Amino acid sequence: NAGVTQTPKFQVLKTGQSMTLQCAQDMNHEYMSWYRQDPGMGLRLIHYSVGAGITDQGEVPNGYNVSRSTTEDFPLRLLSAAPSQTSVYFCASSSWPSGRGEQFFGPGTRLTVL
Amino acid sequence: SQQGEEDPQALSIQEGENATMNCSYKTSINNLQWYRQNSGRGLVHLILIRSNEREKHSGRLRVTLDTSKKSSSLLITASRAADTASYFCATSSYQGGSEKLVFGKGTKLTVNP
Repeated sequence: NAGVTQTPKFQVLKTGQSMTLQCAQDMNHEYMSWYRQDPGMGLRLIHYSVGAGITDQGEVPNGYNVSRSTTEDFPLRLLSAAPSQTSVYFCASSSWPSGRGEQFFGPGTRLTVL
Repeated sequence: SQQGEEDPQALSIQEGENATMNCSYKTSINNLQWYRQNSGRGLVHLILIRSNEREKHSGRLRVTLDTSKKSSSLLITASRAADTASYFCATSSYQGGSEKLVFGKGTKLTVNP
């Protein structure tokens, strides 16, 4: 099993550009989440999904969109990138609702917005 | 909405020594989890302790939970250079009608050979 995969590993954007961060898991997990990690801030939840077709906002959702058309994939879209979105983004999946059990993390995408 | 706060922020020890990291939180929790993050990598789950448990072991890891003090500790015994990483606690609790997992800012552990 590949676990949780994320692409790309690195990305540089200019302010105002849009892009999609890809996340896929092959463990048939219902629950998937997106976090951002900033220096000295820990991980903060952006959006999460409890199954195909169902998404909800986390702590810091502004500027991001998500959709979940399949169990395997959970892409994160930046509609108009801003320097404040410079961060490392992690996707995670779990067979449990958020918090009830182990979360499996992808390797991360390091995004820089100029 | 930071829930868990790790202490210390950074810890440097010699190989073979024990490392203890603490996590304090503010509200009632369902469980508390510890994760490890090697530099430039994703987080890896270490251990989960439920609110009705007081202590759990996994290999060289020992986790305690004191719900009366709203605190947890992670002990790594006989540390190795490969234990060098950041360690995060994450608390699971009901917030705004749904269960959420909230991460602390982490403790950076350096184990010197």
